[in-house]
Amino acid sequence: SQQGEEDPQALSIQEGENATMNCSYKTSINNLQWYRQNSGRGLVHLILIRSNEREKHSGRLRVTLDTSKKSSSLLITASRAADTASYFCATDAEGRKGGSEKLVFGKGMKLTVNP
Amino acid sequence: DTGVSQDPRHKITKRGQNVTFRCDPISEHNRLYWYRQTLGQGPEFLTYFQNEAQLEKSRLLSDRFSAERPKGSFSTLEIQRTEQGDSAMYLCASSLSSFSESYTFGSGTRLTVV
Repeated sequence: SQQGEEDPQALSIQEGENATMNCSYKTSINNLQWYRQNSGRGLVHLILIRSNEREKHSGRLRVTLDTSKKSSSLLITASRAADTASYFCATDAEGRKGGSEKLVFGKGMKLTVNP
Repeated sequence: DTGVSQDPRHKITKRGQNVTFRCDPISEHNRLYWYRQTLGQGPEFLTYFQNEAQLEKSRLLSDRFSAERPKGSFSTLEIQRTEQGDSAMYLCASSLSSFSESYTFGSGTRLTVV
């Protein structure tokens, strides 16, 4: 079963614009992660935010986490054509203490950045 | 060590045949995961290992599927009597076993059952 759900499912923007994607999940978590996948390739880890964190930055990426609303957002600033990919949020299963046995992924969001 | 390696990259097989995929994780990673991904969907968990022990299997992993990780290094995923519904991308990932680590994925094996 897939816990996270990304919104929107697809987004098309122009190079230089910002892209925001949202993720909602159902159960309590220890951490939430975002991954990127280029067509036909494996997933690449982008950023991890723990349940006691509210915001995190990494380069052009900004992630927020609202555990009361069970939601997260990923902002990509000053987008580039190379950012064209599918983006997935993933949560550890049911917030077990002591570590995540496995990650549960959402269905993903397809971002297209037009040059 | 250049990351997680999967072999083969592509496999086309006839329905009813057996196939085996291999995954070589990052050497210092204790945990190894198998996921399956179909077109337009996110990866779905199949199974994971902590060293050589298989600790969890998804209900998606029918009796036709078996995974091993002998000696806690590389892993194999075998599908017996393949069906067209097994066509998918099979992804392997590894991670350190400490709390809430990120995964490193391989490029996947794309299986097509004809």
